Amino acid sequence: QVTLKESGPVLVKPTETLTLTCTVSGFSLTNARMGVSWIRQPPGKALEWLANIFSNDEKSYSTSLKSRLTISKDTSKSQVVLTMTNMDPMDTATYYCARIRTFSSNWFDSWGQGTLVTVSS
Amino acid sequence: SYEVTQPPSLSVSPGQTASITCSGTKLSEKFVCWYQQMPGQSPILVIYQDDKRPSGIPERFSASNSGNTATLTISGTQAVDEADYYCQAWDRTNRTITAIAIFGGGTKLTVL
Repeated sequence: QVTLKESGPVLVKPTETLTLTCTVSGFSLTNARMGVSWIRQPPGKALEWLANIFSNDEKSYSTSLKSRLTISKDTSKSQVVLTMTNMDPMDTATYYCARIRTFSSNWFDSWGQGTLVTVSS
Repeated sequence: SYEVTQPPSLSVSPGQTASITCSGTKLSEKFVCWYQQMPGQSPILVIYQDDKRPSGIPERFSASNSGNTATLTISGTQAVDEADYYCQAWDRTNRTITAIAIFGGGTKLTVL
């Protein structure tokens, strides 16, 4: 059974750095046909993709947030970590990690439950 | 940057067919996915690679992608289908070695 679980702070202050961890089970981060993404959703708003990482350590970032994001993985711990610097109240959102399946194209076939992060002083 | 556009809302009666559109320039040249999100829940994949249904997704869900428009069709819509639906595509530009994911703004489907 594939599961992804997000963890991290529920409250951060403006200008602080957010660090979120996605712990996966049921698949390996070394699998060549899989990757992990971070996706967020502000309250009442649409999904917004943030970043990808694949087994070969290939990474990609949202164009608008690239300067603030870093994605990495620890295959031994089955974890993918996202850091976002200089947090702002506008970054308040539920943050999801999702597994990417890749075969001719990519799709998000499994999602975590999400973790709500509030940015406030 | 590439964008895909969805209507914000759609209402259908139970048993009717719901068609949710997703528009983008030459969208047919990209693979499109569709996700269903119930209130307070994580999204789930209902369509991938334009028209493929994951196991466990009812046959009443189908999709197509042609020209500038992808369409998710729910035949015989049921009350349990009331949710937000998001289309998603991947974009690769000259500046990005790897693809980036693009989500539509979502369509709230109401079954009444």
